[in-house]
Amino acid sequence: KAGVTQTPRYLIKTRGQQVTLSCSPISGHRSVSWYQQTPGQGLQFLFEYFSETQRNKGNFPGRFSGRQFSNSRSEMNVSTLELGDSALYLCASTLGTSGANVLTFGAGSRLTVL
Amino acid sequence: GESVGLHLPTLSVQEGDNSIINCAYSNSASDYFIWYKQESGKGPQFIIDIRSNMDKRQGQRVTVLLNKTVKHLSLQIAATQPGDSAVYFCAERGRGKLIFGQGTELSVKP
Repeated sequence: KAGVTQTPRYLIKTRGQQVTLSCSPISGHRSVSWYQQTPGQGLQFLFEYFSETQRNKGNFPGRFSGRQFSNSRSEMNVSTLELGDSALYLCASTLGTSGANVLTFGAGSRLTVL
Repeated sequence: GESVGLHLPTLSVQEGDNSIINCAYSNSASDYFIWYKQESGKGPQFIIDIRSNMDKRQGQRVTVLLNKTVKHLSLQIAATQPGDSAVYFCAERGRGKLIFGQGTELSVKP
């Protein structure tokens, strides 16, 4: 079955713009988590959605937001982009039930902010 | 912020040797740990996991050891191959989310 699909794979934006990233989880997976990966900070948890509700949230400013649709697909949005937002944004899915701990990651969306 | 730390940022080994990647975690209440491998241009891939009620778990060529007394986790790779070259992350499940370490880059010399 298909893995986790993220689009777009690469994008370039300028400061002040906003960006929307998309994630399609593995079929049947109801939980989608987002991570930001940078060389200096490693993998930082952004948020997790389950059944269209945000179930958990990391320590990121309100410029970072997300949502999940009824088909479990998820989007994340970053507004008023800053240079420091340049990173690889990873989406991961899991069944979402108790004990389903293994996240399956997509290849990521690499965002460059100029 | 929350973090799971790694002792060494880089590790270079000879092909065929065994590799040991270490990880220190911070939350003594964490009950689940997992190792991921990330190759260039790809997302992290699951390698092996372990629950806190175990101290050792083996997979195919990989073994994870958990020492809760000193909050230490290690990944052992037997007969390391060039295809094992990647960045390895440990993670702990705490407060409902996976918290990742900084990563160790494993380089395998032919």
